Amino acid sequence: DTAVSQTPKYLVTQMGNDKSIKCEQNLGHDTMYWYKQDSKKFLKIMFSYNNKELIINETVPNRFSPKSPDKAHLNLHINSLELGDSAVYFCASSQGGGTDLYEQYFGPGTRLTVT
Amino acid sequence: LAKTTQPISMDSYEGQEVNITCSHNNIATNDYITWYQQFPSQGPRFIIQGYKTKVTNEVASLFIPADRKSSTLSLPRVSLSDTAVYYCLVGPGGKLIFGQGTELSVKP
Repeated sequence: DTAVSQTPKYLVTQMGNDKSIKCEQNLGHDTMYWYKQDSKKFLKIMFSYNNKELIINETVPNRFSPKSPDKAHLNLHINSLELGDSAVYFCASSQGGGTDLYEQYFGPGTRLTVT
Repeated sequence: LAKTTQPISMDSYEGQEVNITCSHNNIATNDYITWYQQFPSQGPRFIIQGYKTKVTNEVASLFIPADRKSSTLSLPRVSLSDTAVYYCLVGPGGKLIFGQGTELSVKP
């Protein structure tokens, strides 16, 4: 069984569209994250949820809205897509979060291409 | 949050020991040091984590000097499959800051 799964794996869309990426973890973890990895391989945290509550919200445009229907799911919705949103988006989960350091388990990534 | 500095790339040959050093001069008292490995088209994977001195697991060792301003990831006897990007992270918790990483290329 895949520990952290994301759908879709690839997403090609046009500027101005709205799209969602889904993430699910079956590890029983309390905390989930979204990261963005750009073409230069820099991996930046975007959001973090602990037990469905937002605990980290980095400087991310309001067009990005995470939603956590339950502890095992963290979806990312993006409105009015722009060319600069093209990147690989990774979901991750960990047993804990906040000020404690726990091993994070990453999903396979979703490659978003905006044309 | 402490910023990390690593070499951008390193080359090695199969069977050699590889040491990747990371600088983190502004590390805080409650910060841990963690290393992740990332293969192309995959998400990062946890390798090892430590606070001070030496930590060893089945795949790597982590050396941390007393001042904790740097750390060294040691990979014993690398193989071609160890070709990947290695990230050094310093942080107190869920807000992990990934640097540029070190691209390790292992040659036959």
